[in-house]
Amino acid sequence: EPEVTQTPSHQVTQMGQEVILRCVPISNHLYFYWYRQILGQKVEFLVSFYNNEISEKSEIFDDQFSVERPDGSNFTLKIRSTKLEDSAMYFCASRRTDKLSPLHFGNGTRLTVT
Amino acid sequence: SQQGEEDPQALSIQEGENATMNCSYKTSINNLQWYRQNSGRGLVHLILIRSNEREKHSGRLRVTLDTSKKSSSLLITASRAADTASYFCARLSYNQGGKLIFGQGTELSVKP
Repeated sequence: EPEVTQTPSHQVTQMGQEVILRCVPISNHLYFYWYRQILGQKVEFLVSFYNNEISEKSEIFDDQFSVERPDGSNFTLKIRSTKLEDSAMYFCASRRTDKLSPLHFGNGTRLTVT
Repeated sequence: SQQGEEDPQALSIQEGENATMNCSYKTSINNLQWYRQNSGRGLVHLILIRSNEREKHSGRLRVTLDTSKKSSSLLITASRAADTASYFCARLSYNQGGKLIFGQGTELSVKP
């Protein structure tokens, strides 16, 4: 069964550095999402992306964050200048066009900002 | 908060027992979904129940929905140690992006 893949599985970075988290959604999916989960806490929506543009973003998704679909397969989340509080698991998800279709999640990237 | 509230936050049972997790929400819904998350892994979709459905089954899972009370429950029957995970309910936002809004989750521990 096709799956969403995320790389790297773990990223350690220093405060102020830029990070790029990578995702390969399922190939026939058209809606893409990034969520984050601080350790032991709820799964928080960051941004949704459809038709090569952001369709919705949360308050967390400020100017330090950006997303890109640089080619037909990858979907990236960039954090320009990381803060300690950005430490979390970041999950990419995708789904088909039908709004009743479930989200398929990758296994996440654990970002640790020191 | 737009997010659902789940209870209990943590549940510990013995193998073979049934586990019931509840979810409440505040706005109208088109459907409610349940997901499972093993420790350190991504979320996996379990079951979706539409707003015009009252009950749905999938294997050992049974989901109920009461739209008048804005609540749903997930029942896992004859639990196994492998069912140990966190379980989240999620509702679909009506905004264009179609995001899912997740509840706080219930951490289920099934002891062998």
